[in-house]
Amino acid sequence: QKEVEQDPGPLSVPEGAIVSLNCTYSNSAFQYFMWYRQYSRKGPELLMYTYSSGNKEDGRFTAQVDKSSKYISLFIRDSQPSDSATYLCAMGDNAGGTSYGKLTFGQGTILTVHP
Amino acid sequence: NAGVTQTPKFRILKIGQSMTLQCTQDMNHNYMYWYRQDPGMGLKLIYYSVGAGITDKGEVPNGYNVSRSTTEDFPLRLELAAPSQTSVYFCASRLKQGFVYEQYFGPGTRLTVT
Repeated sequence: QKEVEQDPGPLSVPEGAIVSLNCTYSNSAFQYFMWYRQYSRKGPELLMYTYSSGNKEDGRFTAQVDKSSKYISLFIRDSQPSDSATYLCAMGDNAGGTSYGKLTFGQGTILTVHP
Repeated sequence: NAGVTQTPKFRILKIGQSMTLQCTQDMNHNYMYWYRQDPGMGLKLIYYSVGAGITDKGEVPNGYNVSRSTTEDFPLRLELAAPSQTSVYFCASRLKQGFVYEQYFGPGTRLTVT
């Protein structure tokens, strides 16, 4: 069983739609939950991160964590063509110490928002 | 700042050949990482470094070697290329004092081994 599972899609939605991207995980030691966005032929960039269960909002983006279910989501409201990218969930088990910031990534979900 | 730069952008290798993927960052970041990204597989950590002279293995280190002689540079060496090493390779870095999971990625090197 993979530590982090993410539906690879692809996901295609019309402009203005609400998008839901999801990941499940099996390692209870994960404490930090990140969403990276990767445009075509580019490296990933950090979009959002959360530490505890609950919701965190940043503009049109909302990250949600349910530690009891080991399930995280990223919601995009009023999606735009510029949101078209691959979205990678990533998780870390320690904010410092010996983890050295090592991340475990999901497979990534390819999102296309068409006008 | 140029950020994280990687060279070359593309490379085709024959089986058994060797090459070095270059990675340089100009942000004075202590930590540097090498990942490979295969289609539908996410990113897998190959090696990482917490500072000049200090490196350690990640999840998939077999077939690769690294060195870190300066803060800026973190080259990845492939000694005997195999088709299984066909992938996109990303270098990343982060500041020790920053958020521990905010890594800054380079644009990647697309490698094909035939």
